[in-house]
Amino acid sequence: AQSVSQHNHHVILSEAASLELGCNYSYGGTVNLFWYVQYPGQHLQLLLKYFSGDPLVKGIKGFEAEFIKSKFSFNLRKPSVQWSDTAEYFCAVIFPLNFGNEKLTFGTGTRLTIIP
Amino acid sequence: NAGVTQTPKFQVLKTGQSMTLQCAQDMNHNSMYWYRQDPGMGLRLIYYSASEGTTDKGEVPNGYNVSRLNKREFSLRLESAAPSQTSVYFCASSESVRDRGGYGYTFGSGTRLTVV
Repeated sequence: AQSVSQHNHHVILSEAASLELGCNYSYGGTVNLFWYVQYPGQHLQLLLKYFSGDPLVKGIKGFEAEFIKSKFSFNLRKPSVQWSDTAEYFCAVIFPLNFGNEKLTFGTGTRLTIIP
Repeated sequence: NAGVTQTPKFQVLKTGQSMTLQCAQDMNHNSMYWYRQDPGMGLRLIYYSASEGTTDKGEVPNGYNVSRLNKREFSLRLESAAPSQTSVYFCASSESVRDRGGYGYTFGSGTRLTVV
């Protein structure tokens, strides 16, 4: 079955630490990949996306993600986190449906807490 | 500002009551979606509308109905609310279900629904 897994449910880091959040998906075909962020009390915002081309994707606020097709992974990274990065992070994948349709499927999310 | 507008932002219902969540987008997007967000489960697709005049079930459609009133509006109806439907509901839109050139999906700010 098509699914998205985020194994880190809650990550706690100190400011300036490096961040890597894992995301894996299960599907053998072509997919589109996203990372969304949800700050406390706010709606989802797009951080970055991968459709094709360079597997290292740079997004907003210093985030980047690397698509490794052989590992079915799309991990999110940031070299030095800030307190303002405290939020919930969702990996999402577009999977194909019948009749040429597709759907955006989310992982369960990773709550990131940055300690000043 | 252009985007996705959801109403209401908060709602408390008694078990068995009905209500409709409204969603409107002003970006001329073809496709619209309803998701529910529950702790530890990420966002799950309830229904989607690939284009005006069509609607399809997502992962968790039971207990819900939808109407794609026109290209701008996509409503979600709970006919007989149950405590299990306590959740945060997000509406989203995209240029097309096969959105490969845009900014992915644009989300509304959410409706926090409590069923008692």
